[in-house]
Amino acid sequence: GAGVSQSPSNKVTEKGKDVELRCDPISGHTALYWYRQSLGQGLEFLIYFQGNSAPDKSGLPSDRFSAERTGGSVSTLTIQRTQQEDSAVYLCASSNDREGEQYFGPGTRLTVT
Amino acid sequence: EDQVTQSPEALRLQEGESSSLNCSYTVSGLRGLFWYRQDPGKGPEFLFTLYSAGEEKEKERLKATLTKKESFLHITAPKPEDSATYLCAVSYGGSQGNLIFGKGTKLSVKP
Repeated sequence: GAGVSQSPSNKVTEKGKDVELRCDPISGHTALYWYRQSLGQGLEFLIYFQGNSAPDKSGLPSDRFSAERTGGSVSTLTIQRTQQEDSAVYLCASSNDREGEQYFGPGTRLTVT
Repeated sequence: EDQVTQSPEALRLQEGESSSLNCSYTVSGLRGLFWYRQDPGKGPEFLFTLYSAGEEKEKERLKATLTKKESFLHITAPKPEDSATYLCAVSYGGSQGNLIFGKGTKLSVKP
């Protein structure tokens, strides 16, 4: 079946611009996660959606970052007023429950110039 | 303070040379330990979940084991196609479902 998809695969933006990154999770998965992977660093948790519950935003690095999940499916991660330190690969994952294994998309490589 | 530490950072093996990768963790209330494989330019690919000390799981040339403090990923008679970065992650009582990742071990297998 279809896995997790993300778009765009690559995004180059100028410092100060806003960007939106999209994630389509595996159909039927109730949990959706966003992570960030910087060069030489491990994956860093950003935000977690579980069903209709309020999202866990504890990993968002600043108030420039926000995310929403519409209809319990597609999610969009928005970064406002991008900075060079935001350059990283943004990974989305979905799971069929909170305790289960997470399946990752291919990621969006964001470069802020 | 790192909660998940992987070693070594990089490992070079000859084809057929078996070895082990280590993942040590310091979290309390472990819910699960996960191993992933990541190829360059791709997202992590799920390999195993281990839930309790003493548990073992196998897939082809890979075998994962878990103790109360660490996990090992044993690679038996590796092939060049096993070359990848192997990531370890934990879910625990305080993580609310998200995974805490180590920085990975980059494995290179030469023919």
